[in-house]
This record gives sequence, C-alpha cells and structure tokens, in this order.
Amino acid sequence: GENVEQHPSTLSVQEGDSAVIKCTYSDSASNYFPWYKQELGKRPQLIIDIRSNVGEKKDQRIAVTLNKTAKHFSLHITETQPEDSAVYFCAASMRGSSGSARQLTFGSGTQLTVLP
Amino acid sequence: DVKVTQSSRYLVKRTGEKVFLECVQDMDHENMFWYRQDPGLGLRLIYFSYDVKMKEKGDIPEGYSVSREKKERFSLILESASTNQTSMYLCASSKGTGAPYEQYFGPGTRLTVT
Repeated sequence: GENVEQHPSTLSVQEGDSAVIKCTYSDSASNYFPWYKQELGKRPQLIIDIRSNVGEKKDQRIAVTLNKTAKHFSLHITETQPEDSAVYFCAASMRGSSGSARQLTFGSGTQLTVLP
Repeated sequence: DVKVTQSSRYLVKRTGEKVFLECVQDMDHENMFWYRQDPGLGLRLIYFSYDVKMKEKGDIPEGYSVSREKKERFSLILESASTNQTSMYLCASSKGTGAPYEQYFGPGTRLTVT
C-alpha cells in the first residue's frame, strides 16, 4: 500500500517568516495530494490540494509544489501569522478501484508554531 | 455547509465492553471513513464505506467492525474494547465519484478504555 512520510514533526518560525513542510510518497499511482490543517481541539480541514498533472498551486499565502519524478510534495506558507499555528497533515491518494472510494494515506503531521 | 457529527465527544469504557461510535453526515455523500488519530502517527484509516452495506478494510481494521445501514450513518464498533484502543476517533465523508475529493471530518470522539 501507499506510505507517506512527513518532515519535520515540529517546526517553529518567527511571525512573518516562511515555513516549509515536506512529504514523500511511495506509490507512483497516487495522483491527488491534499493538505489538511488541524487547529488545537478542532477537526482537520482541507487547506489546499494538488493533482498530479500540476506542478504548483497557490492560494494567497500558501502554496504546494509537487515533484512526481522524485515522489515528493511540499507545503509553503509565507508571511506566517500566529493563526497559522496548528498541526498540518499531508496525504496522498489514488483512484479507487471500480465501485470503491478514493482513500487518503496521511503523513504523521507537523506541529507548526508561529512565534510572535 | 457540510456537517459531519459524531455521537459523543468524550467516552470512557471498560476493558471488554462493546463500544459503538456513530457518525452522521448531511451532504448525501457516498463515501464515509473511520480514522484513529494518535500523536506522532497521523490519521490511520480503520474502515471505509463507499455505499450502503458496503465496507472495506483500511490499514488497521483489527479489533474493529463497521456498519452502514443508511447512507447518512456509519458506525464503528469495538467488539471487546482494549486499552490499546484508547485514542481519538475521527469520522469523515466525501463525495462518491469525481472531483472534488475533499474529505469532511467530524469533531472526533476521544475514547478512553480503562
């Protein structure tokens, strides 16, 4: 099955600096890569995703890059703010078999702390 | 707004008890999922369902079973709870086919088995 590794497990940055979280996946059939943010005590929520036919996607201060050859993808947050402090999870997914669901395999998570 | 709800936020059970966790979604989603979340391990898929009465094992199905009798409801069952099943349990749902593939999560149930 798919295996997703995520680094670092913890990341502290000064407010206004950039943060980068990296993930690698094992199955070349994976073609969808979402990122979820989980604030303390809350449910995970999708913040950005990318499909394998795209190399980069941006949404305001967040961006995701994908290198299919190397099987890795990264989350970039610029101009970090205290409200960016949360646990971030990457995931990888492939098309489900006929009649089945598209599953997600998650990384282990990164605790991002933005210091004021 | 998509709403995924779970029957309890906190639950304390004794070893050997049968435990039911329920999840309900109101978006007519075909797919529903059960994960457990443990520090340093991320979210691990226990079981999922892509249609009523259909289920598939995820990565860690041992010690769990599921039931989906209605489209909006997906239950996780711990037949005989053990202390190593103490965890946060998250339910999620997603659309059946085609984009978007987003999974919408419930608030979680923190289960403690003593």
